Amino acid sequence: EDKVVQSPLSLVVHEGDTVTLNCSYEVTNFRSLLWYKQEKKAPTFLFMLTSSGIEKKSGRLSSILDKKELFSILNITATQTGDSAVYLCAVGSNYQLIWGAGTKLIIKP
Amino acid sequence: DAGVTQSPTHLIKTRGQQVTLRCSPKSGHDTVSWYQQALGQGPQFIFQYYEEEERQRGNFPDRFSGHQFPNYSSELNVNALLLGDSALYLCASSLGTGPEPLEAFFGQGTRLTVV
Repeated sequence: EDKVVQSPLSLVVHEGDTVTLNCSYEVTNFRSLLWYKQEKKAPTFLFMLTSSGIEKKSGRLSSILDKKELFSILNITATQTGDSAVYLCAVGSNYQLIWGAGTKLIIKP
Repeated sequence: DAGVTQSPTHLIKTRGQQVTLRCSPKSGHDTVSWYQQALGQGPQFIFQYYEEEERQRGNFPDRFSGHQFPNYSSELNVNALLLGDSALYLCASSLGTGPEPLEAFFGQGTRLTVV
């Protein structure tokens, strides 16, 4: 059965810290891995990764994929209170996205 | 440019009733996927519509059905509601003709409560 596992499930850090969120997967017909941020309702797109070893970067956020070891990480540097959210990892396969349970990130001022 | 819009935003239904949720995709997108997200969990894929046909379906019973209209908007219907159907229902739109899932844009969701 296809599965996506995220760790940790929750994380509390102080503003300015750097965090690393993990996503491992076992999915047949892997097409891509996507990261989303969910604050209240709609998940908002962060990154889509399809190739191993190529880092994607957007401001203080970056992500990389390892297709050999079947995992991805999402890094957030110099965290701010506005980064508090649930971060979801999803793997694209056969027209659908298979989701992890998310990591709940809380940034304390 | 309007993003993905869903209606209604909140809904309360009684067990056994039927419900219809609606979604208008982002302008230019032709593919609509529906997801169910229970509290504290990741979304679960229900089904995807492309060219007015159900292209792929997740592990959901036949009580869950859908439709896509010529203007690409979509409906999700749930019959014989159970308490366990209470969840946030998310609609995602994308553009694509192949199996590679492209960047999907999500609506704000419909919060369904079954009592």
